[in-house]
Amino acid sequence: NAGVTQTPKFQVLKTGQSMTLQCAQDMNHEYMSWYRQDPGMGLRLIHYSVGAGITDQGEVPNGYNVSRSTTEDFPLRLLSAAPSQTSVYFCASTPIPNTEAFFGQGTRLTVV
Amino acid sequence: SQQGEEDPQALSIQEGENATMNCSYKTSINNLQWYRQNSGRGLVHLILIRSNEREKHSGRLRVTLDTSKKSSSLLITASRAADTASYFCAMGSGSARQLTFGSGTQLTVLP
Repeated sequence: NAGVTQTPKFQVLKTGQSMTLQCAQDMNHEYMSWYRQDPGMGLRLIHYSVGAGITDQGEVPNGYNVSRSTTEDFPLRLLSAAPSQTSVYFCASTPIPNTEAFFGQGTRLTVV
Repeated sequence: SQQGEEDPQALSIQEGENATMNCSYKTSINNLQWYRQNSGRGLVHLILIRSNEREKHSGRLRVTLDTSKKSSSLLITASRAADTASYFCAMGSGSARQLTFGSGTQLTVLP
């Protein structure tokens, strides 16, 4: 089983560029989320979705957009990249809120 | 936000020793989970303990939960070099729809 798949694994952007981080899951989970991980700060929630067509903001949503047109896919868009968005981004899915989360392998993003 | 704090931030032990990590949180929870992250990889779920449980075991893992003190501990017994990783606690709350994570403990097990 593929589980949660994130692409790309690595990305370098210039300040002001936009890009989309892809996330797909094949477990038919309703709940999906995006986190960013910075050194010494654990994971912080960016956006989440409780089902197709429904998204909501997390703790650090500024500078990011999401959409959920299908159960499987939950892309994260950086509108105008800034150096402060240099981080490792993780997508996760769960079948039921606040239960075991399944994580992708992460996308390491550097904004120069 | 309901961030958790983990203690210690880093822990280095010899193979065969036990490793204990602690997590404290701020508000009420439905459950508390522990995750493991190997370097450069995603997080992997280890164990979940519900708010009405006090202790749970899974293989070499033992988790305790004290809701009166808003704290949890993860014990790894007879550690192995392969246990070297970062360990995170995550709080599940009925009022929030997603988990909130602690800052993590970096465990190094020396062979």
